[in-house]
Amino acid sequence: EAQVTQNPRYLITVTGKKLTVTCSQNMNHEYMSWYRQDPGLGLRQIYYSMNVEVTDKGDVPEGYKVSRKEKRNFPLILESPSPNQTSLYFCASRAGNQGNTIYFGEGSWLTVV
Amino acid sequence: AQSVTQPDIHITVSEGASLELRCNYSYGATPYLFWYVQSPGQGLQLLLKYFSGDTLVQGIKGFEAEFKRSQSSFNLRKPSVHWSDAAEYFCAVAFYNTDKLIFGTGTRLQVFP
Repeated sequence: EAQVTQNPRYLITVTGKKLTVTCSQNMNHEYMSWYRQDPGLGLRQIYYSMNVEVTDKGDVPEGYKVSRKEKRNFPLILESPSPNQTSLYFCASRAGNQGNTIYFGEGSWLTVV
Repeated sequence: AQSVTQPDIHITVSEGASLELRCNYSYGATPYLFWYVQSPGQGLQLLLKYFSGDTLVQGIKGFEAEFKRSQSSFNLRKPSVHWSDAAEYFCAVAFYNTDKLIFGTGTRLQVFP
């Protein structure tokens, strides 16, 4: 079954404690991306990757890092989380060009206190 | 600047009534256009997409959308709404020769029996 899997699904953490949200897809997709969803703001792109070792900033990259060492994985790293990074995070992937369907993970609820 | 606008934050309809959700974009050329639905606590599911051809697109769950180039719009419609359609709906746009997918801020649909 085609899947984008994120972990953890729910996390409460404290300010400044580094955390990583993992994302894995089993569809051999080249493109992967991270979004955050906040009330009234919709989904905003954090980072994206067109292929292994190729990453680029989205609209809200501040405070986040990513890496793409393998095609299937695209972890999101918060080096020093702050309360304004409390949000619902989605990982997504798609094959090839922009017209193809993007598949989303189920989301990761992150609370930073 | 490239942008996507969903002017209606919240819409309430009675079950069985028709529905139209609005989406407008700002861009100099025809983009790739998508509608996604997000049920409470769930990830995003693709309803339909458009990038060329017939401007009236059929999707899943009885939804359709019409691309109108002259109005830069891609409105989502359903002739008869079911209670299970209550969810948040996002219009998204992928612009040619970029790798960004930009989401609107979403429209929350409430359905009364």
